[in-house]
Amino acid sequence: GQQLNQSPQSMFIQEGEDVSMNCTSSSIFNTWLWYKQDPGEGPVLLIALYKAGELTSNGRLTAQFGITRKDSFLNISASIPSDVGIYFCAGQLYKAAGNKLTFGGGTRVLVKP
Amino acid sequence: ETGVTQSPTHLIKTRGQQVTLRCSSQSGHNTVSWYQQALGQGPQFIFQYYREEENGRGNFPPRFSGLQFPNYSSELNVNALELDDSALYLCASSLYGGGGYGYTFGSGTRLTVV
Repeated sequence: GQQLNQSPQSMFIQEGEDVSMNCTSSSIFNTWLWYKQDPGEGPVLLIALYKAGELTSNGRLTAQFGITRKDSFLNISASIPSDVGIYFCAGQLYKAAGNKLTFGGGTRVLVKP
Repeated sequence: ETGVTQSPTHLIKTRGQQVTLRCSSQSGHNTVSWYQQALGQGPQFIFQYYREEENGRGNFPPRFSGLQFPNYSSELNVNALELDDSALYLCASSLYGGGGYGYTFGSGTRLTVV
């Protein structure tokens, strides 16, 4: 079945740094989504992308839908302590059974000691 | 507007037992999807319910079953529990046909099978 490879698996951030993470797929998606999950909570939507090549921002977050429709990246600029958490990419294919989301394995963002 | 509510928040079951997890959808949403999230992994789609019927299913065995009620709330039932069923079970509500942007996830039920 479809699989999403997300990298890096984890990263350390220092306040003020820019960080990037990406997601690649073995097959195409029509929609790419980025979620953040805090401990003990469900995923919360950060950004949704609907067109190949689309670049979308939400505050300090910027994400792009790759032109091949098989990849996406997320940038966080000027990171702050509350950016700590797990970030997931998810792809959705039109008319897939149950409109299901296929999630990547997550990027765990931690604060540098 | 109220969000998605799941109950219980935690529970421990013994291998071979059966479990029922519950989900109340967000106000105005008519579709419920269930996901399983194993420790350290991303959520995996179990199934979706719309108009009280299953509307798509992921790669999960038949011992995973569900219900949706007229008020759009939903239950996930798992029979003959196995150790590998230990996971966070997430419920997401949406309006039918809505893309991923329309999903609201609950905080999940943490199931431990011993």
